Amino acid sequence: EPEVTQTPSHQVTQMGQEVILRCVPISNHLYFYWYRQILGQKVEFLVSFYNNEISEKSEIFDDQFSVERPDGSNFTLKIRSTKLEDSAMYFCASSERGRGGYTFGSGTRLTVV
Amino acid sequence: AQSVTQLDSQVPVFEEAPVELRCNYSSSVSVYLFWYVQYPNQGLQLLLKYLSGSTLVKGINGFEAEFNKSQTSFHLRKPSVHISDTAEYFCAVSSPSRNTPLVFGKGTRLSVIA
Repeated sequence: EPEVTQTPSHQVTQMGQEVILRCVPISNHLYFYWYRQILGQKVEFLVSFYNNEISEKSEIFDDQFSVERPDGSNFTLKIRSTKLEDSAMYFCASSERGRGGYTFGSGTRLTVV
Repeated sequence: AQSVTQLDSQVPVFEEAPVELRCNYSSSVSVYLFWYVQYPNQGLQLLLKYLSGSTLVKGINGFEAEFNKSQTSFHLRKPSVHISDTAEYFCAVSSPSRNTPLVFGKGTRLSVIA
């Protein structure tokens, strides 16, 4: 069964450093998403991406965040200057039609120290 | 705006007993409803979804859920749980509009006791 692949599975970074989280969505999917889950809390929407541009973003997705689809397969989330409160599990998801079905990756656990 | 309430943060249950995990939603528009499961240190796996049609939806691993529009609920049930069902379960809602993000509940931790 097709999968959404995320790398790395775990990343530790120092506060103030830039990080890039990588995702390979399912090949025929057109809609891409990032969510995050702070430990012990609910999964929160960050941003959606379609046709090479951001479709929607939440209040969490401020100027320190950016997304990019640098080539035909990767979808990245960049955090420019990490803060302690950015420590969370980050999930990438993709969807063929943008509704009715979302496939999630296994996540990247980001730890900011 | 849409929201999801999962009333129970933790549900302990003995092995082979039935379980119901409750989910209520709030939405001013039509809804699509989902249940996801998260096993320890793993990602989110889709258990089942309601898009339209029959209000009783069957999913993987013997789970089912019933969409009740009048009560704005989408409770998840399993008639007999196994130790391997121990996990976090998330209810989520979106609308039929294209590219609408999922809104998740806070999750219910199901602990199956031998």
